[in-house]
Amino acid sequence: NAGVTQTPKFQVLKTGQSMTLQCAQDMNHEYMSWYRQDPGMGLRLIHYSVGAGITDQGEVPNGYNVSRSTTEDFPLRLLSAAPSQTSVYFCASRGQGMSYNSPLHFGNGTRLTVT
Amino acid sequence: SQQGEEDPQALSIQEGENATMNCSYKTSINNLQWYRQNSGRGLVHLILIRSNEREKHSGRLRVTLDTSKKSSSLLITASRAADTASYFCATDGKSNFNKFYFGSGTKLNVKP
Repeated sequence: NAGVTQTPKFQVLKTGQSMTLQCAQDMNHEYMSWYRQDPGMGLRLIHYSVGAGITDQGEVPNGYNVSRSTTEDFPLRLLSAAPSQTSVYFCASRGQGMSYNSPLHFGNGTRLTVT
Repeated sequence: SQQGEEDPQALSIQEGENATMNCSYKTSINNLQWYRQNSGRGLVHLILIRSNEREKHSGRLRVTLDTSKKSSSLLITASRAADTASYFCATDGKSNFNKFYFGSGTKLNVKP
């Protein structure tokens, strides 16, 4: 049971380039989400999904796209990278249907630098 | 924003001492959770307390919740060097339990 797997671990992009951060979970969790972590600011929610085909925006969605075609995968796309998107990105999932009393399970993060 | 604040930002103690960190938030919640993050790793869930609970224990962890003051505290008793990490509180939204808001964290250093 691998839990939540994020790839790549590190990535350097030039301004204007696009890329996809991958997230996969093998726990059959319906809920998946993406966060960014910046120094001194905690984690901020970018997008989340409560099931295949359903996505919604979080606190800081601008510049990012998501889709959810399967239960297992929830990729995050940067359409045109900007230096302000330099951050550590975390994917998290949650089980027990949509019960609001279950914890988040996190991946180990992708450290992205945009130059 | 519902994002909470944590206090203190950093805490340095000796092994065996207790560590207390506090979290405040802004709007009504369903539950409040505490997470630990070791350097360079993802967050790991420690404990969840529901809005109708006032205190909860798990091993060396004790969490309190005061919904009238919109605040929570995490107490780690008899700390160990392995407890060195950053600790974050997270709240959901009463009207949308799918959105989580994290505090800025307390960086705990336990000296052996």
